[in-house]
Amino acid sequence: SQTIHQWPATLVQPVGSPLSLECTVEGTSNPNLYWYRQAAGRGLQLLFYSVGIGQISSEVPQNLSASRPQDRQFILSSKKLLLSDSGFYLCAWTDLRGRGSYEQYFGPGTRLTVT
Amino acid sequence: AQSVTQPDIHITVSEGASLELRCNYSYGATPYLFWYVQSPGQGLQLLLKYFSGDTLVQGIKGFEAEFKRSQSSFNLRKPSVHWSDAAEYFCAVGGNAGGTSYGKLTFGQGTILTVHP
Repeated sequence: SQTIHQWPATLVQPVGSPLSLECTVEGTSNPNLYWYRQAAGRGLQLLFYSVGIGQISSEVPQNLSASRPQDRQFILSSKKLLLSDSGFYLCAWTDLRGRGSYEQYFGPGTRLTVT
Repeated sequence: AQSVTQPDIHITVSEGASLELRCNYSYGATPYLFWYVQSPGQGLQLLLKYFSGDTLVQGIKGFEAEFKRSQSSFNLRKPSVHWSDAAEYFCAVGGNAGGTSYGKLTFGQGTILTVHP
């Protein structure tokens, strides 16, 4: 069965510091991968998605970037964190190969607090 | 552009009472519709999905939802709520995976469910 991991689970970082959040998926190949941010009371905002290694699409302009160095690895980064980057970051995957419905499966999330 | 509206930010029900969470969507073609549940500090868990066929779909934990195209709605229901159902619920809409959709989903703002004993 498929499993999705995220780490770290929680992170407290000062303003201006770099960021690296990692997401890995097991039990599937060539998934579509997604990064979301969830701010309190504001639902889920899609940040980036990837359809393959090295292929990244950004949904909103921001202080963050994403990379996909391997098929099942998705990384969210920042060179200099802002206070507004605080939130709960969720990684998700889906398999678009002919199953008819395209539900996404979510990782456990990373709580980021920028101080 | 697609959108999802969950009109109720917070709903409180008594344990054993019935539940209906509302979801209205806007989408230009046949939508794929989903309900997810999130416990505090956790990821999202898929409750149920609709993409074709019978408009009444059954999900996990005793939940069901009905797709009504004429009303652009996909309301979630449960006949008898348990205290463990207290969580936040998200409705989502997506299109087919082909073209430029890439399996992306648009989520509503969520409905927080509180269950009183």
